[in-house]
Amino acid sequence: QSALTQPASVSGSPGQSITISCTGTSNDIGVYDYVSWYQQHPGKAPQLMIYHVTNRPSGISDRFSASKSGNTASLTISGLQAEDEADYYCSSYTTNSLYVFGTGTKVSLL
Amino acid sequence: QVQLVESGGGLVKPGGSLRLSCAVSGFTLIDYYMSWIRQSPGKGLEWVSYISYSGNAIYYADSVRGRFTISRDNAKNSLYLQMNSLRADDTALYYCVRLDRSLDGFDMWGQGTMVTVSS
Repeated sequence: QSALTQPASVSGSPGQSITISCTGTSNDIGVYDYVSWYQQHPGKAPQLMIYHVTNRPSGISDRFSASKSGNTASLTISGLQAEDEADYYCSSYTTNSLYVFGTGTKVSLL
Repeated sequence: QVQLVESGGGLVKPGGSLRLSCAVSGFTLIDYYMSWIRQSPGKGLEWVSYISYSGNAIYYADSVRGRFTISRDNAKNSLYLQMNSLRADDTALYYCVRLDRSLDGFDMWGQGTMVTVSS
């Protein structure tokens, strides 16, 4: 049950787009469309941003979009804003009915 | 509104036990799976365990299986985590989290309760 692999950090200028990758295996991301993404600001609990690979819960900005190809999922933030500075985690359901999180990515503005 | 409030954290010696509780409100507990997720200081999220609507299905991360026990009391709107044989690497903020199976996502989180395992 190894963590999904994410880049430690990603940065971008205000207004730009950035993409965070999340690499798993054929036992998790590669076999299920049960990938979700979470945003966590310092000292706060995480918030669900994306579920079922591409879907946004009510209230989540459409600047957040996501996709999946093979064993890798991706989260894109468009029109980067100061409020987007946070840690982001992916998660997937696995073939042994467990859940696994990614290693986390710190997003910062240049 | 939906609320999840954890309690029961604290300082415990290696090998000791602790029982976490989570009181929920604002939704009907039996309508949801529930989960515990932890975060060590300065580290990432780690899924710990989840339990189905009535407790018939329970799963644990490899790191806690055999030492932790998740349970729920829907009548009391409560979720629990019994933690035994605690180790230093169990030190973390433990979140009580609602798992919406229609989303396959963790959609509501408590603020967490801190567990510190140290001699």
